Amino acid sequence: AQTVTQSQPEMSVQEAETVTLSCTYDTSENNYYLFWYKQPPSRQMILVIRQEAYKQQNATENRFSVNFQKAAKSFSLKISDSQLGDTAMYFCAFIRSSGAGSYQLTFGKGTKLSVIP
Amino acid sequence: GAVVSQHPSRVICKSGTSVKIECRSLDFQATTMFWYRQFPKKSLMLMATSNEGSKATYEQGVEKDKFLINHASLTLSTLTVTSAHPEDSSFYICSARPQGGIETQYFGPGTRLLVL
Repeated sequence: AQTVTQSQPEMSVQEAETVTLSCTYDTSENNYYLFWYKQPPSRQMILVIRQEAYKQQNATENRFSVNFQKAAKSFSLKISDSQLGDTAMYFCAFIRSSGAGSYQLTFGKGTKLSVIP
Repeated sequence: GAVVSQHPSRVICKSGTSVKIECRSLDFQATTMFWYRQFPKKSLMLMATSNEGSKATYEQGVEKDKFLINHASLTLSTLTVTSAHPEDSSFYICSARPQGGIETQYFGPGTRLLVL
């Protein structure tokens, strides 16, 4: 079974600063996908960034980037130039790409990020 | 693109009544839809996986007779909470996976259910 661990229940960052959220996962699979989802106070889940395990290059999406370390099973999210609208719960998630249970997301417990003006 | 809607966004009902929640993919076809439940300040808990034209697959501990799921088309899945009780009060979220596409799921805005 896959597990996703987010070791930081809460974090805060000053506006315009950079913050990194950590995520580790455990799997015996070689092919999989990793995601960061954002859930603001509205509770709408929003996809932030996606990484395919077979790609060595770290995914980047504007101010959001990841540090994917496959051997270490680590998938951290870096938010640059933090904005007030980044205040939200951030969930790291894993999905298998094939086999039984594929396409089912496994979520971490989340990190509550507060951006301070 | 990749918009998923849920209706209603909020519902209050009396104990013993049934409530239907609709999940629609607005601009794509979804072979698979998922239903989650989320308790306050907690992560999402997968309840069931719904495939178009077939029976839903329920996660362990989820009562299939309590939470009826129908996925009649490639753009619509419904979750019916039958004979709702106060302990069913929660936030229910659906997601949809595009047909034949990448592994990403797109989420609906959620439905807040309060059973009195």
